[in-house]
Amino acid sequence: DTGVSQDPRHKITKRGQNVTFRCDPISEHNRLYWYRQTLGQGPEFLTYFQNEAQLEKSRLLSDRFSAERPKGSFSTLEIQRTEQGDSAMYLCATERAMNTEAFFGQGTRLTVV
Amino acid sequence: GESVGLHLPTLSVQEGDNSIINCAYSNSASDYFIWYKQESGKGPQFIIDIRSNMDKRQGQRVTVLLNKTVKHLSLQIAATQPGDSAVYFCAETVYNQGGKLIFGQGTELSVKP
Repeated sequence: DTGVSQDPRHKITKRGQNVTFRCDPISEHNRLYWYRQTLGQGPEFLTYFQNEAQLEKSRLLSDRFSAERPKGSFSTLEIQRTEQGDSAMYLCATERAMNTEAFFGQGTRLTVV
Repeated sequence: GESVGLHLPTLSVQEGDNSIINCAYSNSASDYFIWYKQESGKGPQFIIDIRSNMDKRQGQRVTVLLNKTVKHLSLQIAATQPGDSAVYFCAETVYNQGGKLIFGQGTELSVKP
């Protein structure tokens, strides 16, 4: 257990439905990242926060995706109108400062049917 | 575009032997490199990191070598154990690009007892 908690661990949803994932970071970590990982591939960067500010969003993050980190603590990632191509593992990682050890959560496995 | 890649997608070794996993990166501006271990159904787990001002770093049973001239990174695991079986990813980042990690595809290490 790295101390980064993600919920739920698994989510099966029908195409077109909205889903929301949550990440609880290690308490003193002010940087939080979201990644997406498909089978056989390395994680791909989606977005990151420093405290409550969302500082960068990848081109992978379409307008159906939105991430928040109110109060600079936990973060949520919402996918609206899910598509089958959204099926993936969504990973959260946090770090105390830039370019220090990043700790990953166990991920949320999303399956869109 | 910029990418991080692995030379060998799979590696099978005998228990007790040493393992070497290789990685090539293409962004000469990358200044921080990390090796992660990922077991099935889990998030990536930090193994060891190295900054661009170093060419070697040792941990417990693991050594990372960085060759900036040829943009090559390797992970050496001494006395490989069955518990080392997993997928290994190298990742790179550039300090002034927010700390997001760029991952390679991964190498699956299989340790035979």
